[in-house]
Amino acid sequence: DADVTQTPRNRITKTGKRIMLECSQTKGHDRMYWYRQDPGLGLRLIYYSFDVKDINKGEISDGYSVSRQAQAKFSLSLESAIPNQTALYFCATSDLSGTDNEQFFGPGTRLTVL
Amino acid sequence: QKEVEQNSGPLSVPEGAIASLNCTYSDRGSQSFFWYRQYSGKSPELIMSIYSNGDKEDGRFTAQLNKASQYVSLLIRDSQPSDSATYLCAVNMEGGGNKLTFGTGTQLKVEL
Repeated sequence: DADVTQTPRNRITKTGKRIMLECSQTKGHDRMYWYRQDPGLGLRLIYYSFDVKDINKGEISDGYSVSRQAQAKFSLSLESAIPNQTALYFCATSDLSGTDNEQFFGPGTRLTVL
Repeated sequence: QKEVEQNSGPLSVPEGAIASLNCTYSDRGSQSFFWYRQYSGKSPELIMSIYSNGDKEDGRFTAQLNKASQYVSLLIRDSQPSDSATYLCAVNMEGGGNKLTFGTGTQLKVEL
């Protein structure tokens, strides 16, 4: 079974809709991250969390919010989706006590906003 | 702005050859460096990490780090068609709060 899972894997939605992407991990890692990937722009950090009570904005947090429901769960919400949020979204985890910030990625969610 | 730079490619090499992928970074205080492989439409997969100057070998892969010149490279020996992918360089920069900064990746094509 995959250590980091993301749901849904694909989603098509309309402008203005609220969307939630979910990430769960069984690795026991403390740290979780949300990235988006766009062609030519690479991976950009949206939000990250170093434990359940710690939430931090990343490089491109505008238009997004997150919730760390438990050590193993980290959700990303788009309150009112817009077309330029069409992208591939990845969740990642790393271990506080592990090798210096090696991150492990989930399979990704392909989001299309029409 | 702290940056990680990679040539986007594509880098084409014949099967069996050595592929050399390069990455430069702007923050001299960076401490840890990673190479990820990403197949089209798939998630990044960690293949190498390096923390000290010099070479680190793992099977057909060798990571090379030169902190004075601020570059890190990945060599793939005996390249196979299955190595065709985009390779992402990631750097944990000093003062980055244990976040990784990713380059945009180099596309590698291994030709038969």
